[in-house]
Parts: sequence; C-alpha cells; structure tokens
Amino acid sequence: DAKTTQPPSMDCAEGRAANLPCNHSTISGNEYVYWYRQIHSQGPQYIIHGLKNNETNEMASLIITEDRKSSTLILPHATLRDTAVYYCIVRVDVGSARQLTFGSGTQLTVLP
Amino acid sequence: EAQVTQNPRYLITVTGKKLTVTCSQNMNHEYMSWYRQDPGLGLRQIYYSMNVEVTDKGDVPEGYKVSRKEKRNFPLILESPSPNQTSLYFCASSFTTGRGLKQYFGPGTRLTVT
Repeated sequence: DAKTTQPPSMDCAEGRAANLPCNHSTISGNEYVYWYRQIHSQGPQYIIHGLKNNETNEMASLIITEDRKSSTLILPHATLRDTAVYYCIVRVDVGSARQLTFGSGTQLTVLP
Repeated sequence: EAQVTQNPRYLITVTGKKLTVTCSQNMNHEYMSWYRQDPGLGLRQIYYSMNVEVTDKGDVPEGYKVSRKEKRNFPLILESPSPNQTSLYFCASSFTTGRGLKQYFGPGTRLTVT
C-alpha cells in the first residue's frame, strides 16, 4: 500500500470549508484513495473514496490531482461535530486481508 | 439501520479471567475484523474473517482467539487477559467483493485488565 502524508493538525472556523490535504506520491495505478474519520474514541467512519475522478457525496468532496500524487478532502460547511481525526488511506480495492492501515491522520478542530 | 454492535462497551477485569467481547453486524457482510487502538500506535488488526469458518491472524494476534460460526457474529475471546491487553477494541465488517474498502465499525469496547 502506498504511504500517505498528512499534516498532524488543522483548525477551521465553523461554517467555513475545511480542506484536508493528503500526499500519496508513490500511489500506483490500481490504488484507491479512501478517507475515514474518527470522532474521539468512537469507531472510525467511512467518508468517501475515489480512484482518479473527483467524487462527492452527502458528507464531503474528494479532489484528486491529475497525477494522483495528492488529494484533498473538502468538508464544505464544517460544524463543531466535524471535529475529529481524519485518515487518508491508499490501497488496492481488492485483496484477501482487506485490512485498513490507519496512519496518524490529521486532527481537525472546528472552532466556534 | 445498518450497524455493527459490540458488547460490552466497557469492561474492567482481572488478569487471567477469561472474557469474550461480542460483535454482530446486520448487513450480511462476509468480512469481519477486530482492531485494537492504543495511544501512539494507532489501530492495529488482531484477527479477521473472510467468511463463516474462515479466520486468519492480523498483525497482533497473540493472546486472542476468534470464531466465526455464523455470518453475523465474530466474537473476540481473551482466554487469559493480561494488563498489556488493556486497550480500545473495534470490530469492523464489510463486503468482500465489488464494494471496496468501505468498512463499518462498531462503537468500541474499552477494556481494562488489572
């Protein structure tokens, strides 16, 4: 699985867009980018994933650069409940173990 | 509602007293897994199961057992708990084909072994 690099922490004002970057410069052609988040000591929650095209769902948008070496998770209108650790995970979409390797993630703090 | 449930949510026990943490999912997922989370070490996989009667070791299986007799249940068994198994435990499940790594996690079980 490709290694990912995320900033350890970020702040965002409530109501503003939160843009969380992830660097995955060694990503290979068949690896997907997944985002999960973990609100304090709760179970991780799936947010979104993509391969090469930008993706949007009810929670967030995922922007993947054309060379696929980095991506940005966008929470369009951050709320206090979005305060959490956000994990960017890169790996192939198939495999026997299907283990998710969580790095250290980005602690997003949404400020009132 | 699609969910993964774990019981108990909190448990304090003593060294050597066998315990079981239950995990159940209602989404007909083939894949189920147990993770433990410790400060500074992140989430580490203990065991996983690709389907009924199929289980395999993750990264940190020592001191744990699992079973998968039914598709919906995947209990984690600590035959002789030790203080180094004090941790936050999560169960997760997903489909195995066609739907990627969208895993659903349970709410967690906080275990303290004294």
